[in-house]
Amino acid sequence: SQTIHQWPATLVQPVGSPLSLECTVEGTSNPNLYWYRQAAGRGLQLLFYSVGIGQISSEVPQNLSASRPQDRQFILSSKKLLLSDSGFYLCAWSAYDQPQHFGDGTRLSIL
Amino acid sequence: KQEVTQIPAALSVPEGENLVLNCSFTDSAIYNLQWFRQDPGKGLTSLLLIQSSQREQTSGRLNASLDKSSGRSTLYIAASQPGDSATYLCAVTGNQFYFGTGTSLTVIP
Repeated sequence: SQTIHQWPATLVQPVGSPLSLECTVEGTSNPNLYWYRQAAGRGLQLLFYSVGIGQISSEVPQNLSASRPQDRQFILSSKKLLLSDSGFYLCAWSAYDQPQHFGDGTRLSIL
Repeated sequence: KQEVTQIPAALSVPEGENLVLNCSFTDSAIYNLQWFRQDPGKGLTSLLLIQSSQREQTSGRLNASLDKSSGRSTLYIAASQPGDSATYLCAVTGNQFYFGTGTSLTVIP
């Protein structure tokens, strides 16, 4: 069966520090991968999605970036975090044209 | 642990009908509730967000209500269109996200 792992579950970082959130999927190959964010008081927003290794589509301009170094690994990064980057980050995967499956999420607090 | 259930699992209606999708959750200690639509091969689209202190939100033909004490939310779609065909998910935010089981909606032209 397929599983998705996302870590860490919670993270507290100072403004200006770098960020790396990792998501891995097991039990499937060539999944579509997604990063979402929910900022305080706002709805869930799609940040990035990937249909293959090295193929990243960005939905919103920001100081975040995503990379897919391996087929089942999706990384969300930032060189310098802003206060506005605080929020809840979700990773998800799907097979083509199938429903998405979500990780447990990371709650990121910027101080 | 929070459990989020959506009824019905699938729904098929003729174009123009008004319809209601239901979402229930077991733990009323939530920050907010959201309704999403999910289209095949695409990311989730957030439709409506209701904070725990609110009772409803409206956007165009969509109206979502929240009764936190009873653990229920409804999504009302007026004058349905074929373009509304998708899977609709509700999600509650507590310490983490809890997604519902989803309702697959088909609007027949």
